[in-house]
Amino acid sequence: NAGVTQTPKFRILKIGQSMTLQCAQDMNHNYMYWYRQDPGMGLKLIYYSVGAGITDKGEVPNGYNVSRSTTEDFPLRLELAAPSQTSVYFCASSYFTGGANNEQFFGPGTRLTVL
Amino acid sequence: GQQLNQSPQSMFIQEGEDVSMNCTSSSIFNTWLWYKQDPGEGPVLLIALYKAGELTSNGRLTAQFGITRKDSFLNISASIPSDVGIYFCAGTTTNKHIFGTGTLLAVQP
Repeated sequence: NAGVTQTPKFRILKIGQSMTLQCAQDMNHNYMYWYRQDPGMGLKLIYYSVGAGITDKGEVPNGYNVSRSTTEDFPLRLELAAPSQTSVYFCASSYFTGGANNEQFFGPGTRLTVL
Repeated sequence: GQQLNQSPQSMFIQEGEDVSMNCTSSSIFNTWLWYKQDPGEGPVLLIALYKAGELTSNGRLTAQFGITRKDSFLNISASIPSDVGIYFCAGTTTNKHIFGTGTLLAVQP
């Protein structure tokens, strides 16, 4: 199992550009999440999905969009990049979030800089 | 939104020392989890707690789920250099984790 994979590892964008951060998991997890981690800060939830075709906003969704057409993939879209979106982005997945088996498995992260 | 207060924010210790960190919340959580993030990596689960009052160990790590379900602590005994990293607590609700702000641990050999 590759676990949770993310691409690209690093990216520099100009203000106003758009891009898609890719995330895939091969563990057949139904739950997937996108977080951002600013320097010296904790993880803030951007969007999450409880299954294919279902997505919901997290704590900081503005400026981002997601889709979940398959169980495996959960891409994050930035339409008009802004300097405030400079951060490290982590994708995570879990089998179930209530009671047992709610561990989240994280990808290695995408380091995004917007200039 | 819900917030977890995690303390201390950072710790700089000598190898062999014991470490203690904790999380408190104004909300009740169903479970408490402790993750560690190595530099340049994503967080990895260390310990999961599922019942109020539960005390669980994983090697040199011990964590407890507070009786009120609003707090948790993590202890690391006899620290070693590879304990360096950021430690996050997380409380879980139905669909998601709420993460604490993290405790940065530095261990001097």
